[in-house]
Amino acid sequence: AQRVTQPEKLLSVFKGAPVELKCNYSYSGSPELFWYVQYSRQRLQLLLRHISRESIKGFTADLNKGETSFHLKKPFAQEEDSAMYYCALAIQGAQKLVFGQGTRLTINP
Amino acid sequence: GAGVSQTPSNKVTEKGKYVELRCDPISGHTALYWYRQSLGQGPEFLIYFQGTGAADDSGLPNDRFFAVRPEGSVSTLKIQRTERGDSAVYLCASSPTRTTREQYFGPGTRLTVT
Repeated sequence: AQRVTQPEKLLSVFKGAPVELKCNYSYSGSPELFWYVQYSRQRLQLLLRHISRESIKGFTADLNKGETSFHLKKPFAQEEDSAMYYCALAIQGAQKLVFGQGTRLTINP
Repeated sequence: GAGVSQTPSNKVTEKGKYVELRCDPISGHTALYWYRQSLGQGPEFLIYFQGTGAADDSGLPNDRFFAVRPEGSVSTLKIQRTERGDSAVYLCASSPTRTTREQYFGPGTRLTVT
């Protein structure tokens, strides 16, 4: 069965430090992966998707099929990056997203 | 334009009661989704509508849960004989088409069953 695992529930780093939020998936089909973010008192919103290969707000994520991972990275964290981050997997032939448990990122000044 | 809206924002009900949660998707979006998010968990898929029909209801936990979208726009999630375990945030999302993978989420309805 398809599954998304985010091993860290909480992650705390200092401003200016690099940050990496881990995401691993289990899926037998061709994966399509996303990172969603929820800032305090805001709704869940798309941050980036692997097919776009884009950098959003300085974040990047590379799909590694060999390691079944889609880690989110940013070289220099900013205080406004503090939020809940969810990794999500789109199932082929279905419209649903399978989400990980989320990682709460806190950037300390 | 306006994003996805959900009403009510909070709902407290007694065990055994019936509740309805409403979702108003972004205008013109044909795909609509319901998710449930329990405390400390990520959103969990419940049901997906394409137009008026439920294309995938595999995530509905049991027959106490039902959802409709009669005119292909607004959707209502209905929960009968509520149980304390139904307490969660219920999220609605919409997409422009069924092939668009990006989903736009509403603010959620926090349901508390006492």
